[in-house]
Amino acid sequence: QKEVEQDPGPLSVPEGAIVSLNCTYSNSAFQYFMWYRQYSRKGPELLMYTYSSGNKEDGRFTAQVDKSSKYISLFIRDSQPSDSATYLCAMSAIGNQFYFGTGTSLTVIP
Amino acid sequence: KAGVTQTPRYLIKTRGQQVTLSCSPISGHRSVSWYQQTPGQGLQFLFEYFSETQRNKGNFPGRFSGRQFSNSRSEMNVSTLELGDSALYLCASSVPPSTTSGQETQYFGPGTRLLVL
Repeated sequence: QKEVEQDPGPLSVPEGAIVSLNCTYSNSAFQYFMWYRQYSRKGPELLMYTYSSGNKEDGRFTAQVDKSSKYISLFIRDSQPSDSATYLCAMSAIGNQFYFGTGTSLTVIP
Repeated sequence: KAGVTQTPRYLIKTRGQQVTLSCSPISGHRSVSWYQQTPGQGLQFLFEYFSETQRNKGNFPGRFSGRQFSNSRSEMNVSTLELGDSALYLCASSVPPSTTSGQETQYFGPGTRLLVL
C-alpha cells in the first residue's frame, strides 16, 4: 500500500466552479501537510502548508486536514483558467522525508 | 531572493552512460533533497543532504548517488543509465524549521529533464 493516495483525475471544471482535491494516507505519524501546484514543464510550487489537523485559508484556497480519517483536502473557490495545473499533496513526519501523491490534473475551462 | 536553480535543464544520454546533475539551493538553505518524477510513479524520493551529509535515502539502486558541498550546492550522479531512468529530476531546498512549524518546507527547482535513448 502506498503511503499517500491521490486520485489522478483528470478533473475538468468550468471557470468559477469550486474544486475539491483530496488525498488519503496511511501513516498516522504524518503531522505536516502540504499542497503543491505544478504547471507543465515546471517544478512544483508550494501552495499551502498545514500543521496537524484543521483548516487553513489563503485567498481562494482552503486546505483541510482530518487526521482521524487520514484525509486531506484542498478547495479552490472561483476557479480560474490559470489554476489549470497538476496539484500534488505531500506530507511528512517530523524530521523525515516527504511523501508525495501522484498528482491530480486540473483543467479549468473558460 | 533567487530560487532553486538546476543545471542542465535538458539532457539526452544513451544507455550505459553516466550523468551528473547540479542543484544550487536558495541562499541560506542547508538541506537539499532530490526526487525523480515520472508520469506513472509521480514524485519519488531519492535522497536528502544536510550539511554535506546524507540524512535520508529512498529506495533507489546504488547507481544513483549524490553529494553536497560546503556551500550547500548539491550534485546527483546516475551511472550506467537505463531507459527507465528517463524522467524529470527535481531538486528541493528546505528552509530551516520555524519556531512554530517545527518542520522544514521544501521549495523546488525547475528540474532537469533526462532522456535516455
